[in-house]
Amino acid sequence: DAGVTQSPTHLIKTRGQHVTLRCSPISGHKSVSWYQQVLGQGPQFIFQYYEKEERGRGNFPDRFSARQFPNYSSELNVNALLLGDSALYLCASSLRPQTNEKLFFGSGTQLSVL
Amino acid sequence: AQSVTQPDIHITVSEGASLELRCNYSYGATPYLFWYVQSPGQGLQLLLKYFSGDTLVQGIKGFEAEFKRSQSSFNLRKPSVHWSDAAEYFCAVAPRNSASKIIFGSGTRLSIRP
Repeated sequence: DAGVTQSPTHLIKTRGQHVTLRCSPISGHKSVSWYQQVLGQGPQFIFQYYEKEERGRGNFPDRFSARQFPNYSSELNVNALLLGDSALYLCASSLRPQTNEKLFFGSGTQLSVL
Repeated sequence: AQSVTQPDIHITVSEGASLELRCNYSYGATPYLFWYVQSPGQGLQLLLKYFSGDTLVQGIKGFEAEFKRSQSSFNLRKPSVHWSDAAEYFCAVAPRNSASKIIFGSGTRLSIRP
């Protein structure tokens, strides 16, 4: 079975541009979470979606948005990119959104903003 | 405020030596506790978790961790490290049985001396 897949693996953008990151969860998993990992830091929670509804949002500006599709895949959108948005963006899936559910992480999308 | 502290940014141990990675947390009630490992260019993999019961938990790859409520600590140990254990290790906490975010520490980078 395939694990959590993220695309693209690497991305270079310039300030002010918009970016869309994609995530396909493990088959059967209905919950998807997004994390931002800045170099040298631990992952920070951005969003959680379950059954296409937002179930949690971290402390990120409105430039960050996400959605989940009927097949449970997800997109993370970031508008008006800033240099500080350069990071590894990780997607994680689980069967359900509760914190006692095991999270399975993808390898991430490395975003560089120039 | 909820937080996780990993006081050691970088640790180097010799292959075959024992290992202890420190983790302290600040939380209103006893949270769920986790240790994750991240190899270069990879997502995070769950090593072990503590929900309740025996305070000494066993994980994958020969790792174990001990929950000490009085010290708000959840240190990770391994009796004999292998070169393949070189990676970044993250301690994390989450509220019990809720659909909410996981809070990660800043990580400890482990290097193995041949």
